[in-house]
Amino acid sequence: DAGVIQSPRHEVTEMGQEVTLRCKPISGHNSLFWYRQTMMRGLELLIYFNNNVPIDDSGMPEDRFSAKMPNASFSTLKIQPSEPRDSAVYFCASNQAGGETQYFGPGTRLLVL
Amino acid sequence: QKEVEQNSGPLSVPEGAIASLNCTYSDRGSQSFFWYRQYSGKSPELIMFIYSNGDKEDGRFTAQLNKASQYVSLLIRDSQPSDSATYLCAVGNYGQNFVFGPGTRLSVLP
Repeated sequence: DAGVIQSPRHEVTEMGQEVTLRCKPISGHNSLFWYRQTMMRGLELLIYFNNNVPIDDSGMPEDRFSAKMPNASFSTLKIQPSEPRDSAVYFCASNQAGGETQYFGPGTRLLVL
Repeated sequence: QKEVEQNSGPLSVPEGAIASLNCTYSDRGSQSFFWYRQYSGKSPELIMFIYSNGDKEDGRFTAQLNKASQYVSLLIRDSQPSDSATYLCAVGNYGQNFVFGPGTRLSVLP
C-alpha cells in the first residue's frame, strides 16, 4: 500500500498567491482529515470528510481556506490569498469507517513570504 | 472548547529507564484516547489507543487511562535512544473529532 500521498512536499510562495495542497487517501479509507502543525499552535484539525462529505470544518481558520473532496481518492486544501501566518506543515490523514488508526501523509511544508 | 494538555518537556531519561508521559483532557464525553509519536521532520505515527479505564500494554509501551480524573498516560519501559521523539496525546470519539495535545519532547540519553 502506498500510504497517504500528499503533494507538493514543499511549497514556497509569496503573500497574496493562491496555494493548493493535494491529498490522496489510502484506498478503501472513507474518512479524510486535514491538519495544520505549527510550533506555536501544535497540530490542529482543520476539516474532515466522511464519504466525501465535509462533516466538521470548524477548525478552518477563515474564509481564505477551503477544502474539497470531489471523489474518494482525492482532496484539496486551498488558501486564497495566502498570508505569511499560513506558513506551517499541512498534513492529510485517512482512516476506515469505524477504524481507530488515522494514517498520516508525509505533509506539505508551506512557506509564505 | 475541547482541550488536551501535556507537559512540553523536554523530558530527559537515561537509556534503559522508564519514561512517563502524561496528558489531561477537558471533554468528559471523550471515548477514545491515542498516543502518537512524531520524529523531527516526520509525520505522526500511532503507537497505541485505549478506550477503557485501566492499563493496556503493547511491548515496551503501556497506556493508562483514568476517565474520572480525565487523565491518560504513556509509559515506555527500557527506553532506547530511538524513542527520542515528540509524543502527542490525542482525544476523540472513535476515530473522529480528534484534538491533539501540544506534545512532549522525549530525549533518551545513551
